[in-house]
Amino acid sequence: KQEVTQIPAALSVPEGENLVLNCSFTDSAIYNLQWFRQDPGKGLTSLLLIQSSQREQTSGRLNASLDKSSGRSTLYIAASQPGDSATYLCAGRLTPSGSEKLVFGKGTKLTVNP
Amino acid sequence: GAGVSQSPRYKVAKRGQDVALRCDPISGHVSLFWYQQALGQGPEFLTYFQNEAQLDKSGLPSDRFFAERPEGSVSTLKIQRTQQEDSAVYLCASRLEPIKETQYFGPGTRLLVL
Repeated sequence: KQEVTQIPAALSVPEGENLVLNCSFTDSAIYNLQWFRQDPGKGLTSLLLIQSSQREQTSGRLNASLDKSSGRSTLYIAASQPGDSATYLCAGRLTPSGSEKLVFGKGTKLTVNP
Repeated sequence: GAGVSQSPRYKVAKRGQDVALRCDPISGHVSLFWYQQALGQGPEFLTYFQNEAQLDKSGLPSDRFFAERPEGSVSTLKIQRTQQEDSAVYLCASRLEPIKETQYFGPGTRLLVL
């Protein structure tokens, strides 16, 4: 059974700091991995999706990497802003012959202080 | 265009009541997912539709949970004889087609069973 773990559970940083959020998964037979952002009382917003054949994806100040062999993904946020405050979730999908479902971690709650 | 919408946004039910939660996916999206998110946890997969076909219902926690998507667009998640442990946020997501991986999430329905 695929399990996804996120560390740390919560993180508080001053504005402008670069930071890294970590995600680990137990099953290396992962098809893709996605990072989402969740704001209080709202649904999830997809940030980045990395296919198993890729090693990283970038969007603006965000960079996500994937290392299947070690079962890890990281989300790097550059020059953090108060508007980045949210809960960040990673989710993995197993190989396409398996279920379509995403398996989520519990998330990292990020607070960026002005 | 409009995103995924869900209704009601909040629902309070007495234990033993039946509830119905509605999801309107993005127009033209083939795939539809339901997830359950308990407080402080990541979303957990419930069920998946491709058009009107329910292809995976492995995440439904009991036979009190039932989902349908009769015309391949709007979906309803029904919970019969609600229990306190059913209290959670129920998230719906849609995806354009199976080869397009990004899932677009609605704001969720927060269900509280008293």
